[in-house]
Amino acid sequence: AQSVSQHNHHVILSEAASLELGCNYSYGGTVNLFWYVQYPGQHLQLLLKYFSGDPLVKGIKGFEAEFIKSKFSFNLRKPSVQWSDTAEYFCAVSGSGTYKYIFGTGTRLKVLA
Amino acid sequence: GAVVSQHPSRVICKSGTSVKIECRSLDFQATTMFWYRQFPKQSLMLMATSNEGSKATYEQGVEKDKFLINHASLTLSTLTVTSAHPEDSSFYICSASPVGQVTDTQYFGPGTRLTVL
Repeated sequence: AQSVSQHNHHVILSEAASLELGCNYSYGGTVNLFWYVQYPGQHLQLLLKYFSGDPLVKGIKGFEAEFIKSKFSFNLRKPSVQWSDTAEYFCAVSGSGTYKYIFGTGTRLKVLA
Repeated sequence: GAVVSQHPSRVICKSGTSVKIECRSLDFQATTMFWYRQFPKQSLMLMATSNEGSKATYEQGVEKDKFLINHASLTLSTLTVTSAHPEDSSFYICSASPVGQVTDTQYFGPGTRLTVL
């Protein structure tokens, strides 16, 4: 079955701490991988995406993610979080050449000032 | 660029009434739009894929007669929740993919919160 797992449902960090959010997927075939962020009261915004090439992807606001094919993982990282990173983060996968996304359950990040 | 809007942002209705939600791509054309539903503290669940000029494709378990989708133009898709009931209360989000785009990226609208009394 096709699925996306985000194991951390809630994460609380202090400012300047490093962040890593896990994302594992189950999907047959070539995949595209995404991380979206949803700030309180706002719509989903694309943080970064992986389609092919360099498995280390850099996105906006200092975020990056690494695609490890052997582990079916696409973990999101940021070396030093800010209070403004407080949001919900969603990992998503789609089959290459399709537009249908499968979302993970999301991780709520709270950064303490 | 790539802005998607939804209207209304919030709607409260009585049980048994129908509610229409609009999804517009403001600065691009989209042959394909998607409708999602998000329950509190849960992820987005794809309800249906809306294709311009043809019938929508519904995901398993989604009642096509209850959630009517019309994609009449390259910039507008509508979702009508017919005979709404309290269990239909949810956050409905649409997304769209630009025509001719090589990569499979969707752009999301701000969502519509539906409350059925």
